[in-house]
Amino acid sequence: QKEVEQDPGPLSVPEGAIVSLNCTYSNSAFQYFMWYRQYSRKGPELLMYTYSSGNKEDGRFTAQVDKSSKYISLFIRDSQPSDSATYLCAMVTGGFKTIFGAGTRLFVKA
Amino acid sequence: DAGVIQSPRHEVTEMGQEVTLRCKPISGHDYLFWYRQTMMRGLELLIYFNNNVPIDDSGMPEDRFSAKMPNASFSTLKIQPSEPRDSAVYFCASSFQSSGANVLTFGAGSRLTVL
Repeated sequence: QKEVEQDPGPLSVPEGAIVSLNCTYSNSAFQYFMWYRQYSRKGPELLMYTYSSGNKEDGRFTAQVDKSSKYISLFIRDSQPSDSATYLCAMVTGGFKTIFGAGTRLFVKA
Repeated sequence: DAGVIQSPRHEVTEMGQEVTLRCKPISGHDYLFWYRQTMMRGLELLIYFNNNVPIDDSGMPEDRFSAKMPNASFSTLKIQPSEPRDSAVYFCASSFQSSGANVLTFGAGSRLTVL
């Protein structure tokens, strides 16, 4: 079993839809929970991160962490074609070891 | 700062040849990571350094792979001999400890094709 599980998709939605992306993890040592976005033929870039259970909002993006269930989510409101990318969840241990999920490919249709 | 700089951007080589990938991290960053990305396996952590010292190389697939960081501004990932299954995009990323969360800044990647 992988430490971080993420459905690779692809996920296709119409413009304006609410998108829900999810990851599960097995290692209780993970301390930080991150979401990166990767456009085609580019390196991943950080979207947002959280430390504790609960919600964190940044514009149209909301990150949610449930440590008791070992489950994290990223919600995108009012999705735009420019949001089309691969979204990778990442988990960080206290020693800065960062493990990524497989990434979910998202397509937002105009 | 120009960000994390990787070279070469593209490399095509034949099986059995030696491949060297290079990375210049962001100045002041004290962590450096090497990842490999494929469609089948996603983004895999190969090795990471703190203050030029390797901390965890458990992701290095086999002895054909080696990585060095001779100083704070340069790292190499070497594959010798290369095999077709090594074809992937290799990313270097750097971060600094005071960020707390380990926010990684990635380079543009080196796309390796082994024929």
